[in-house]
Amino acid sequence: QVQLVQSGAEVKKPGASVKVSCKASGYSSISYGMHWVRQAPGQRPEWMGWINAGNDNTKYSQKFQGRVTITRDRPANTIYMELSSLRSEDTAVYYCARPAYGSGNDWFDPWGQGTLVTVSS
Amino acid sequence: DIQMTQSPSSLSASVGDRVTITCRASQSISSYLNWYQQKPGRAPKLLIYGAVSLQSGVPSRFRGGGSGTDFTLTISSLQPEDFATYYCQQSYSTPITFGRGTRLEIK
Repeated sequence: QVQLVQSGAEVKKPGASVKVSCKASGYSSISYGMHWVRQAPGQRPEWMGWINAGNDNTKYSQKFQGRVTITRDRPANTIYMELSSLRSEDTAVYYCARPAYGSGNDWFDPWGQGTLVTVSS
Repeated sequence: DIQMTQSPSSLSASVGDRVTITCRASQSISSYLNWYQQKPGRAPKLLIYGAVSLQSGVPSRFRGGGSGTDFTLTISSLQPEDFATYYCQQSYSTPITFGRGTRLEIK
């Protein structure tokens, strides 16, 4: 059974960084990319970026360019998303989501359960 | 960036009703349009992919239509578990973008 399990909730101060993990099970994450999406309270989901299969190339939304880094730990079958220079507007639930067949044009399925990141002084 | 305009933003309906949600892309996205259902505190759940294909396990009362720039999600006979928020998503190009959502409420 394909499953994505994310790390737990985080509380961070403005200016800090957060690193969220997404452990894949039931398949090899090397064969698929992974997207990261965040959703602020009451807002639509917002795509942050993705890491592709094979060569681990990344592509980020211009909005987060320079602040977000997506990496993969192949032996651990885990993908990470790190967001730096946090501000209050970054308070949101962060999701990892797999492209269904590994392509950047695929729909997202499955999704992780989400990780709440709260940024507060 | 491709803008996704979804309407209505909210909708009140009764069990057994037929409802349609629309989504318009700011440029042609072929059939790279997906629909998700989200319930409070949960991750979005895929319903329809490629504009018209029903995800495995999703009831057949959900139907997707359209191509190019105009798309629809129709629920033919609402069930109590269908009251949720629905999002369209384009996966034609990055940045991948979502509609603002349609909150479906019980009348």
